[in-house]
Amino acid sequence: AQTVTQSQPEMSVQEAETVTLSCTYDTSESDYYLFWYKQPPSRQMILVIRQEAYKQQNATENRFSVNFQKAAKSFSLKISDSQLGDAAMYFCAYCGGGADGLTFGKGTHLIIQP
Amino acid sequence: DVKVTQSSRYLVKRTGEKVFLECVQDMDHENMFWYRQDPGLGLRLIYFSYDVKMKEKGDIPEGYSVSREKKERFSLILESASTNQTSMYLCASSLQGFLPANEQFFGPGTRLTVL
Repeated sequence: AQTVTQSQPEMSVQEAETVTLSCTYDTSESDYYLFWYKQPPSRQMILVIRQEAYKQQNATENRFSVNFQKAAKSFSLKISDSQLGDAAMYFCAYCGGGADGLTFGKGTHLIIQP
Repeated sequence: DVKVTQSSRYLVKRTGEKVFLECVQDMDHENMFWYRQDPGLGLRLIYFSYDVKMKEKGDIPEGYSVSREKKERFSLILESASTNQTSMYLCASSLQGFLPANEQFFGPGTRLTVL
């Protein structure tokens, strides 16, 4: 079974600084998909960024980028120029494809210090 | 915008009661999912469905069942609620397609308390 590990239960960063959230996963598949989801205090989960394993190029969405290391099974999220609105729980998730559900990590609580 | 709605934000039930959690999506998505979220455990998949009347067990299906009679609606059923089912329940939906794995859109969640 696939597992996703987020080793940082909580992270704190000053506004405007850069923070990196860690995620590792375990799978025997060669094709799969990785996601970072954000859950603000209002509770609605939203997708931040996703990465297809067959793509070597790291995904980027504005201030959010990933460092995908397939051999190391590592998928970290970098948030540049942190803003107060970035404060949330961040979940790393794995999907084998198709109609499969997501396997989530336990989450990282990100605090933004003004 | 995709909208996934859940029938209740907060629900309080007694041990042994039959509980229905309803989820509706308005974007004609084939796939629907039920997760439970617990502090320190993240989200765990209970059941999912990739078509009307189809269902598949997720990682923690024990004590739950589901129903999908219409494409837009996916119900989670607790046949006899127990205190260890107190949790936040999240519904999600996505378009069908093997490649690429499609984004799942989440509802706002139902906080269920079983007394």
